[in-house]
Amino acid sequence: EAGVAQSPRYKIIEKRQSVAFWCNPISGHATLYWYQQILGQGPKLLIQFQNNGVVDDSQLPKDRFSAERLKGVDSTLKIQPAKLEDSAVYLCASMLAGVSTGELFFGEGSRLTVL
Amino acid sequence: DQQVKQNSPSLSVQEGRISILNCDYTNSMFDYFLWYKKYPAEGPTFLISISSIKDKNEDGRFTVFLNKSAKHLSLHIVPSQPGDSAVYFCAATTYNAGNMLTFGGGTRLMVKP
Repeated sequence: EAGVAQSPRYKIIEKRQSVAFWCNPISGHATLYWYQQILGQGPKLLIQFQNNGVVDDSQLPKDRFSAERLKGVDSTLKIQPAKLEDSAVYLCASMLAGVSTGELFFGEGSRLTVL
Repeated sequence: DQQVKQNSPSLSVQEGRISILNCDYTNSMFDYFLWYKKYPAEGPTFLISISSIKDKNEDGRFTVFLNKSAKHLSLHIVPSQPGDSAVYFCAATTYNAGNMLTFGGGTRLMVKP
């Protein structure tokens, strides 16, 4: 079974530029999450999708971050304009719908460096 | 406000000995707890979990203990192996929270041969 795929693995941009990250979850997983992991900290949830609907985006900085999951499968996370403090690893995770436990399957992450 | 805390950023143990990783939480609504393991340049992978109706869950070399009154959980690895060297994250959630996990800051475990 293929895991959660993310791209690009690494991205370096200058502040005020824009960047987009892509995620393809495990086949059949209706629930998709984007997490931000700053160096030395634990992952922090940005947004959760159930199919193509947003379940929770309360911690997404909506003035610069946006995310979509138009067809209920792939998802993109965009940052525009980027700030220095956005330097982090962006992790995508997925889970089967209807599972009541928190066993998420994570991708390898996309590491963003903002200069 | 950090609802899940791992106060030890690192831990070093000898191969074959016990590793004990600790985690504290403040939100009494949390009723499900998980441990994730992360190797460099990889995403976290699920290791073991425990429901608040239990105080212990065991899976091979890994055992998680939950003390609800103290809002504390711990992960025991016995015996520790060099391949266990990784960052371990404690996470918590509530059953009705859509499985949104709140993570601790992680503990880097180093198992020396």
